[in-house]
Amino acid sequence: EVQLQESGPGLVKPSQSLSLTCSVTGYSITSNYWGWIRKFPGNKMEWIGHISYSGSTSYNPSLKSRISITRDTSKNQFFLQLNSVTTEDTATYYCARYNVGTSFGYWGQGVMVTVSS
Amino acid sequence: DVVMTQTPVSMSVSLGGQVSISCRSSQSLVHNNGNTYLSWYIQKPSQSPQLLIYKVSNRFSGISDRFSGSGSGTDFTLKISRVEPDDLGVYYCGQGTQYPWTFGGGTKLELK
Repeated sequence: EVQLQESGPGLVKPSQSLSLTCSVTGYSITSNYWGWIRKFPGNKMEWIGHISYSGSTSYNPSLKSRISITRDTSKNQFFLQLNSVTTEDTATYYCARYNVGTSFGYWGQGVMVTVSS
Repeated sequence: DVVMTQTPVSMSVSLGGQVSISCRSSQSLVHNNGNTYLSWYIQKPSQSPQLLIYKVSNRFSGISDRFSGSGSGTDFTLKISRVEPDDLGVYYCGQGTQYPWTFGGGTKLELK
């Protein structure tokens, strides 16, 4: 069974970079699509972007200038880097694997990230 | 971006009852390939979101047939029958037809 686990700092200072890791077990990241989604305080959810089985990426245009999604196939991990963070980037960040089509079938437990000085 | 509007924002239900949640998109969700990429998720308290329905009406693995999705174009509905305590949480619709993928604002289902 595929399992995903996010890791990274819970607190980041404004203007710094946020780096998160998604470790995957039970399924190779060289298959399927792998995404990042965040949920803000309240209920708003936002798709951040994804990396494909081949390593190609797609990003939300609202974040495109600040984000990078990469991977390490040897460790079966993929990564999110978000630059120049502000308090508006405070959210719970989830990694997920796509299901049929473009739905998110498998999610990590999430990591809460607070941007504060 | 495609705006997803869910109604109601919250609702209360009795155990064993039935509820319907509406999701409307600002543009048609029919993809060029003919598929409609509309999904439904539930986020239970202190848990990650879980996929319930994909491509409008297909139940994800392990999802009870008490959950059903319907709709087309820009109007979609999630129905939950014989509501159980484990069904409580926040429901989201999401579209994966047009980049960037977007989500509705959520519908909180509570016990009456």
